Amino acid sequence: QLQLQESGPGLVKPSETLSLTCSVSGGSINSGTYYWGWIRQPPGEGLEWIGNIFYSGATFYNPSLKSRVTMSVDTSKNQFSLNVKSLTAADTAVYYCARDFGYDDTGHRGTFDVWGHGILVTVSS
Amino acid sequence: DIQLTQSPSFLSASVGDRVTITCRASQGISSSLAWFQQKPGKAPRVLIYASSILQSGVPSRFSGSVSGTDFTLTISSLQPEDFATYSCQQFTGHPLSITFGQGTRLEIK
Repeated sequence: QLQLQESGPGLVKPSETLSLTCSVSGGSINSGTYYWGWIRQPPGEGLEWIGNIFYSGATFYNPSLKSRVTMSVDTSKNQFSLNVKSLTAADTAVYYCARDFGYDDTGHRGTFDVWGHGILVTVSS
Repeated sequence: DIQLTQSPSFLSASVGDRVTITCRASQGISSSLAWFQQKPGKAPRVLIYASSILQSGVPSRFSGSVSGTDFTLTISSLQPEDFATYSCQQFTGHPLSITFGQGTRLEIK
């Protein structure tokens, strides 16, 4: 059974860079049909897509965050990562990694079907 | 950018009720819309994708439909475990862009 697990700091200072890693187990990140994504949720608010990455390294970012976000994939470790720079308090959120299964067998666009538990990141001095 | 507006933002209902939640897109998005359920402190769980396809393992009391730019999630008979927050989510491609609705909180009456 595929499982995802986020790891990284729970507290980061303003203006610094957040680095998170998502470890994938029970399946290979090398699958040619899946995207791997990051989504965040500020306390008491809705979900916000940060970006997706393909195993090849192709990336797709939320335009509102694109200037501060970098995603990467390490197929040898079966992990993918997120960096967010120039943090402010508005970046305080639960950060989730998830698998986007792309298209199903009938060609319909799927969505995020497997999620990590999430990691709370607080931006504060 | 495509915006998704959910209505209502808050809904109070009783076990056994039929409830409907709507997600309106600011422009046409084909059928690439999904619905998620989220309980406090938990990750979202996908219920419906491609507007009306039930994700494997999701009870059949959940259904989705679309009419123009209005997408609907229906729960035919509320069960105690259905009280949660529901969010819609859309994809557009080329380049890939993903947006979530603001969420609808469903509480027990």
